[in-house]
Amino acid sequence: GQQLNQSPQSMFIQEGEDVSMNCTSSSIFNTWLWYKQDPGEGPVLLIALYKAGELTSNGRLTAQFGITRKDSFLNISASIPSDVGIYFCASGGSNYKLTFGKGTLLTVNP
Amino acid sequence: NAGVTQTPKFRVLKTGQSMTLLCAQDMNHEYMYWYRQDPGMGLRLIHYSVGEGTTAKGEVPDGYNVSRLKKQNFLLGLESAAPSQTSVYFCASSRGLFQFFGPGTRLTVL
Repeated sequence: GQQLNQSPQSMFIQEGEDVSMNCTSSSIFNTWLWYKQDPGEGPVLLIALYKAGELTSNGRLTAQFGITRKDSFLNISASIPSDVGIYFCASGGSNYKLTFGKGTLLTVNP
Repeated sequence: NAGVTQTPKFRVLKTGQSMTLLCAQDMNHEYMYWYRQDPGMGLRLIHYSVGEGTTAKGEVPDGYNVSRLKKQNFLLGLESAAPSQTSVYFCASSRGLFQFFGPGTRLTVL
């Protein structure tokens, strides 16, 4: 089946640092989504991308849909302790199923 | 609106016991999903439903059954629990690609 390769698997950073993570696929997708999962909670949608080359921001978060439609990245600027959690990329072609990456575990040291 | 709710939040079973996990959504979504989350494995789709009365297999369906008798509810059943089914289970619902997740059920099978 389709697979998304998400990296890095984990990150340990200091508060205030910027963070970058990415997701790649061997398949072309029409939509890229980024979710965040807080400890003990379900994933919550952060950003949705619909067009190749699209750059979208949500506060300190910025995500881009790769030109080849096979990748996406997520940046977090000036990290804060509440950024801790697991970040998932997800992609879909059909309108009701998503493929998820394995997640990036982010730890922020105050 | 409560969004997506899951019951129970925690459960411990012995090998061979059966149980049903309940998912309910109040957003009038057509599509509903059951995922399992294991460390380092991301979210893996167990079963999904594209409408009331319909179900389909996902990536890891073995050992699970589902039913969608009402549009707002999606039930996940384990007929004979095994230790390999120890996991965190998430339900999600959507109208399209944006999936909204419940808070999860942590299941331990001894």
